[in-house]
Amino acid sequence: NAGVTQTPKFRVLKTGQSMTLLCAQDMNHEYMYWYRQDPGMGLRLIHYSVGEGTTAKGEVPDGYNVSRLKKQNFLLGLESAAPSQTSVYFCASTPDLGDSGANVLTFGAGSRLTVL
Amino acid sequence: AQTVTQSQPEMSVQEAETVTLSCTYDTSENNYYLFWYKQPPSRQMILVIRQEAYKQQNATENRFSVNFQKAAKSFSLKISDSQLGDTAMYFCAFMRYNNNDMRFGAGTRLTVKP
Repeated sequence: NAGVTQTPKFRVLKTGQSMTLLCAQDMNHEYMYWYRQDPGMGLRLIHYSVGEGTTAKGEVPDGYNVSRLKKQNFLLGLESAAPSQTSVYFCASTPDLGDSGANVLTFGAGSRLTVL
Repeated sequence: AQTVTQSQPEMSVQEAETVTLSCTYDTSENNYYLFWYKQPPSRQMILVIRQEAYKQQNATENRFSVNFQKAAKSFSLKISDSQLGDTAMYFCAFMRYNNNDMRFGAGTRLTVKP
């Protein structure tokens, strides 16, 4: 009964370094999302995926890349980290967007990233 | 673009009392969903309650209920019989029907005092 699992939970990077955040879900959900949470700003959508092999930009995509090679995994990459990317990152998933109530997002526990 | 506004950055309430958190949103859409999520100190985002815009009846989940005013674009959350475990950040969120972009408000930090 894992739900949505994010790794790592914490990471400290230096400016210019690269890293990848992994999101894994075991609920066979079609849709997956990456959000960032900053103080006073709520959560903002970075990228999302509506199925294996597909990705799309959200509200704040610059500086990030994503891949969905397997249905259960959604990777968020930072090619050249900047201090402005210091944030808490949340992954979420949902089965679909229909009227069955399935558009409720299930969230992971978050990953705190600090860029020095 | 849709925006969600939570005008109360912080609130507090005595245990067992009732508190109402405010949320307003801006949209030209007619069909959409509204949500309240709770984020306790553990950081886990937990769904509290969900409302479909086409439903006039206000959603209720145990001690949690909403006052959905579609014309006023208002979606407040009422917590009755507040418990210490209700201490958390509360986020109001908006999603258009059949759209992936869920928009969140900035959050209200609620403290329940013993």
